[in-house]
Amino acid sequence: DAKTTQPTSMDCAEGRAANLPCNHSTISGNEYVYWYRQIHSQGPQYIIHGLKNNETNEMASLIITEDRKSSTLILPHATLRDTAVYYCIVRVGVNTDKLIFGTGTRLQVFP
Amino acid sequence: GAVVSQHPSWVICKSGTSVKIECRSLDFQATTMFWYRQFPKQSLMLMATSNEGSKATYEQGVEKDKFLINHASLTLSTLTVTSAHPEDSSFYICSATDPQGGRYFGPGTRLTVT
Repeated sequence: DAKTTQPTSMDCAEGRAANLPCNHSTISGNEYVYWYRQIHSQGPQYIIHGLKNNETNEMASLIITEDRKSSTLILPHATLRDTAVYYCIVRVGVNTDKLIFGTGTRLQVFP
Repeated sequence: GAVVSQHPSWVICKSGTSVKIECRSLDFQATTMFWYRQFPKQSLMLMATSNEGSKATYEQGVEKDKFLINHASLTLSTLTVTSAHPEDSSFYICSATDPQGGRYFGPGTRLTVT
């Protein structure tokens, strides 16, 4: 699976959009981009995933560049409860086995 | 949505004893389950892949005789930490894959070995 690079930490004001970048320059054509988050002392929570097209669900939007070498997770209106570590993971196919976690981005939402 | 539970949520044991952690998929059958551990302020580290009815596949550097994994049914996998030592103190998290390929994580079990 391709490796990802994320900033170590980011801050965001409550109510503003949080834009979390991820670089995956070695991604292969059949690898998806997945985002999970982990709130302190809990298990990871699935957020969103995509292959080529931008995706949106009730939690977030995922913007993937045309060359697929990077992506951005957007939380449109961050709340204090969005404070967590966000992990960007790339892997082959929807049903593939392993999820390998990198170091992630620690997002701190402040009042 | 799909739910994965773990039991216990936290456990304290004495050095040299064994501890069993259960992972259950509550509303779906999980052909594959995964075990991770996480040390403070670190990321999740995959320990092993557990397939129902077969032996687990361990990641490099994980001692299979120390971390016994059993996946006896499609809804239950267990991780037993044998002869636990203080350095085994960690947050253990399981994950399960549903038939549609969705991946769900348990809430984690915090193990403290004294």
